Amino acid sequence: DAKTTQPNSMESNEEEPVHLPCNHSTISGTDYIHWYRQLPSQGPEYVIHGLTSNVNNRMASLAIAEDRKSSTLILHRATLRDAAVYYCILYTGRRALTFGSGTRLQVQP
Amino acid sequence: DTGVSQDPRHKITKRGQNVTFRCDPISEHNRLYWYRQTLGQGPEFLTYFQNEAQLEKSRLLSDRFSAERPKGSFSTLEIQRTEQGDSAMYLCASSGNTIYFGEGSWLTVV
Repeated sequence: DAKTTQPNSMESNEEEPVHLPCNHSTISGTDYIHWYRQLPSQGPEYVIHGLTSNVNNRMASLAIAEDRKSSTLILHRATLRDAAVYYCILYTGRRALTFGSGTRLQVQP
Repeated sequence: DTGVSQDPRHKITKRGQNVTFRCDPISEHNRLYWYRQTLGQGPEFLTYFQNEAQLEKSRLLSDRFSAERPKGSFSTLEIQRTEQGDSAMYLCASSGNTIYFGEGSWLTVV
């Protein structure tokens, strides 16, 4: 499976935008870029996914580089409830998701 | 609630006992997954089913672990002769086009 690289941790202030980066230089043409987040003591929660074009939903936006070797998850206004571990995962839909160590996002009031 | 449901949410057991976890997936989903997660780590894949067929098993799934999905609906994960190293959160997920996770079942082996 192609791997992703994310920073171990990031900090943000409440009500400010947050940009969470992910590098995936070995991405293949069939890999979708998925983002999940995991709040403390809960199961992972689906956030968003995309293939080539930027995507928006009620939770976040996903910006995908033109060469698809990197992507950025954008939380437009961070809240304290957004404090979680965010996982960037490449997934073809054929097998199971493979989680890395993710980015721990801290949100300061 | 129409999400993935897991039971029990918490289980404390003595070393050497058997434990069983149940997962009820989202009803129209034909794929079901089991993961294990220890403190500070990301979830690790254990096994997955397409309907009732178990299609893949991780090397983490030792012979003390067995998973079933007899009618292609709910699934069970049994751990026999539990060891302290089995203490973890066991996550179930199901998918149609997108994978959705349950809240997990916490196991503590004392």
